Amino acid sequence: AQSVTQLDSHVSVSEGTPVLLRCNYSSSYSPSLFWYVQHPNKGLQLLLKYTSAATLVKGINGFEAEFKKSETSFHLTKPSAHMSDAAEYFCVVSPPSRDDKIIFGKGTRLHILP
Amino acid sequence: NAGVTQTPKFQVLKTGQSMTLQCAQDMNHEYMSWYRQDPGMGLRLIHYSVGAGITDQGEVPNGYNVSRSTTEDFPLRLLSAAPSQTSVYFCASSYRGTRNEQFFGPGTRLTVL
Repeated sequence: AQSVTQLDSHVSVSEGTPVLLRCNYSSSYSPSLFWYVQHPNKGLQLLLKYTSAATLVKGINGFEAEFKKSETSFHLTKPSAHMSDAAEYFCVVSPPSRDDKIIFGKGTRLHILP
Repeated sequence: NAGVTQTPKFQVLKTGQSMTLQCAQDMNHEYMSWYRQDPGMGLRLIHYSVGAGITDQGEVPNGYNVSRSTTEDFPLRLLSAAPSQTSVYFCASSYRGTRNEQFFGPGTRLTVL
């Protein structure tokens, strides 16, 4: 069975400082992993995805994530936070079977302090 | 392309009423799903479909029905609304396969009194 755990429900950083949002996964197979962002009162938008190519994945708006199989982690980072990054972020694991369901983490709300 | 569309955007129901949330996509995606989003709970899968005529239950299916008669449409039916079904509902679609991103609709905010 697959699962995904986002280790922090809330993260606060000052504008201009680095962002780290943590995600651990459990899967019997090499998974596909995604990060989505949801700005207030909006739908979800894909930030980036890992699909067994390069382990360091670059996404939109300066975000990137590193797939670490030994640590079963897929943490999201950004070197310098911007006020517009304030949003909720979801880590998602996609199943090995095409007929199985996709699993969402519970989300991490990122607060940016001026 | 309109992408994934959902109607209505907002809905207020009384306990016991039934209604259908509409979802349509014009990208010829095989996979469609319904989620509900509640504060602190993330997105929870209600039902999903891997193709026309095929549906399956997700994490929280009770009180909801779905059908998939066409590739484009995936309506979600609330059989007898309860206050516990007050939530924001999102429909999503993607190509079948593990490497494909999901595209989300704008959501329906449902309140059950």
